[in-house]
Amino acid sequence: NAGVMQNPRHLVRRRGQEARLRCSPMKGHSHVYWYRQLPEEGLKFMVYLQKENIIDESGMPKERFSAEFPKEGPSILRIQQVVRGDSAAYFCASSPRIIDRGNTEAFFGQGTRLTVV
Amino acid sequence: ELKVEQNPLFLSMQEGKNYTIYCNYSTTSDRLYWYRQDPGKSLESLFVLLSNGAVKQEGRLMASLDTKARLSTLHITAAVHDLSATYFCAVCPGGNQFYFGTGTSLTVIP
Repeated sequence: NAGVMQNPRHLVRRRGQEARLRCSPMKGHSHVYWYRQLPEEGLKFMVYLQKENIIDESGMPKERFSAEFPKEGPSILRIQQVVRGDSAAYFCASSPRIIDRGNTEAFFGQGTRLTVV
Repeated sequence: ELKVEQNPLFLSMQEGKNYTIYCNYSTTSDRLYWYRQDPGKSLESLFVLLSNGAVKQEGRLMASLDTKARLSTLHITAAVHDLSATYFCAVCPGGNQFYFGTGTSLTVIP
């Protein structure tokens, strides 16, 4: 059972371009979470999705950022018109059910390190 | 605003020594998670603490949870170099997301 797979691992974009980050959850997991980690900081929640639905996007910037988790295929975090401040590591996590039930854990991918030049 | 604070932020310790990392959080939460992160890597789950008084041990690491004090500790016994990493605690207060602490960067010196 492969873990959470993210690609690309590293992504370089010029200011104004679009960045698309992909996350394939673990097999059997239908809950996906995206987090952003700035250098020397902890992870900050961005968005929580289940298949085809955005459940909680309270951590998403209001503009330029969007996320989806289609019925088929990976979850996508999309950043339009990137700026230097978007440079960060973006982590995806998945879980088999909502993480406030029982001893449910979330498993993290290896992250995509976005650099905006 | 919910806060999760760890201390110390940076810890340098010699091999063989013991030390404790503290995690305080500002809201009611009946569970707490500890993760380890190596440089440039993802987060590895260490412990899930589910109730007040919970104590879990794995190798040289032992974690405990006091929900009344809103405090968790991660105790390191007889540190070895392989434990060098950043350690994060996180709470999930009945919602859809983790709130992570600031992280403790541990360096074990031979």
